[in-house]
Amino acid sequence: DAKTTQPNSMESNEEEPVHLPCNHSTISGTDYIHWYRQLPSQGPEYVIHGLTSNVNNRMASLAIAEDRKSSTLILHRATLRDAAVYYCILRRVNDYKLSFGAGTTVTVRA
Amino acid sequence: KAGVTQTPRYLIKTRGQQVTLSCSPISGHRSVSWYQQTPGQGLQFLFEYFSETQRNKGNFPGRFSGRQFSNSRSEMNVSTLELGDSALYLCASSFQSSGANVLTFGAGSRLTVL
Repeated sequence: DAKTTQPNSMESNEEEPVHLPCNHSTISGTDYIHWYRQLPSQGPEYVIHGLTSNVNNRMASLAIAEDRKSSTLILHRATLRDAAVYYCILRRVNDYKLSFGAGTTVTVRA
Repeated sequence: KAGVTQTPRYLIKTRGQQVTLSCSPISGHRSVSWYQQTPGQGLQFLFEYFSETQRNKGNFPGRFSGRQFSNSRSEMNVSTLELGDSALYLCASSFQSSGANVLTFGAGSRLTVL
């Protein structure tokens, strides 16, 4: 199974950008890179996903390395509501099995 | 549009008992997957169903089982409960099993085994 590696924690100040790295050196050509976040006492929620090209949506941006062995989730202006555990996962097209890492706990300081 | 609904939200069982958890996916979603979340092991994949067929299974003992009905609703069952089965059980639905499809998670069922 392709695994992902993320830092355990990151801190940011409110209104500042947050860059969350994820390494996935064993990624295969058919793996989509997904990001989800989990707020306390809630189920994970979708943030963004991509395959090869960088992606933007109203919540965040996803920057994917050219060799696809790493990616970065960018929260452009962190708010207190962005404090959560962020998971980078690979969703395999032909296997259906998901592998979650430990995630990155993001703390946002007011 | 209703989200993913999991019932019950909280339950307490004793060792040796069995438990059945239910998941109602978003209307139109045919794929349902289940996960166990514990402080020590994090989020672990249990199994995924698509159109009533189990597509894949994680590394859990046979005490963990599931099924999916024709209306895409899914249940998971844990028999002969052990203390270590105490966890938050999450289900997620998506339109298909494709890697491009987004998962929508429910709020989870928190199981405590005494």
